[in-house]
Amino acid sequence: NAGVTQTPKFRVLKTGQSMTLLCAQDMNHEYMYWYRQDPGMGLRLIHYSVGEGTTAKGEVPDGYNVSRLKKQNFLLGLESAAPSQTSVYFCASRRKLAGENNEQFFGPGTRLTVL
Amino acid sequence: GQQVMQIPQYQHVQEGEDFTTYCNSSTTLSNIQWYKQRPGGHPVFLIQLVKSGEVKKQKRLTFQFGEAKKNSSLHITATQTTDVGTYFCAGPRRYQFYFGTGTSLTVIP
Repeated sequence: NAGVTQTPKFRVLKTGQSMTLLCAQDMNHEYMYWYRQDPGMGLRLIHYSVGEGTTAKGEVPDGYNVSRLKKQNFLLGLESAAPSQTSVYFCASRRKLAGENNEQFFGPGTRLTVL
Repeated sequence: GQQVMQIPQYQHVQEGEDFTTYCNSSTTLSNIQWYKQRPGGHPVFLIQLVKSGEVKKQKRLTFQFGEAKKNSSLHITATQTTDVGTYFCAGPRRYQFYFGTGTSLTVIP
């Protein structure tokens, strides 16, 4: 099993450009998340999904859109990139059922720079 | 809204010294998770605590969940260079997790 994969690994954009980050998981997890990580600020939730066809806003959703057309994929879109969106983006997934060790599995991250 | 605060932000220790990071929530948590992120890597799950006053050990790591379920700590005994990284706590709220700001541990050989 590959776990959680993310593409691309690195990307440099100019202000105003658009792009889509792809997250894929092969663990049949219901829940998927997109986080951004900035120095000194930990992980902040952008958007999340509790199932195919459903998405919801997290802590910092402005400037981003998401889609979950298939259970295994969660896409994060930037319609008009801004320098403030320079960050490392992590995707994560987890099972729906609560209980012991209901951990989030993280992808390797995408390092995005907006000039 | 829910906040999860973590201290200290940075910690430098000599190899062999102990290390502790503390996590505090503004609200009562149903459970708390701890993650480790190596430099340049992604967060990796360490443990989940559920019960009030719970203490769990993983080799040299000891995790505690406060009696009021609003705070938690991670203690590493006799640090090694392999312990280098950032340690995060995370508290759930419905479908989401709120992460602490993390404690970056540097171990000096």
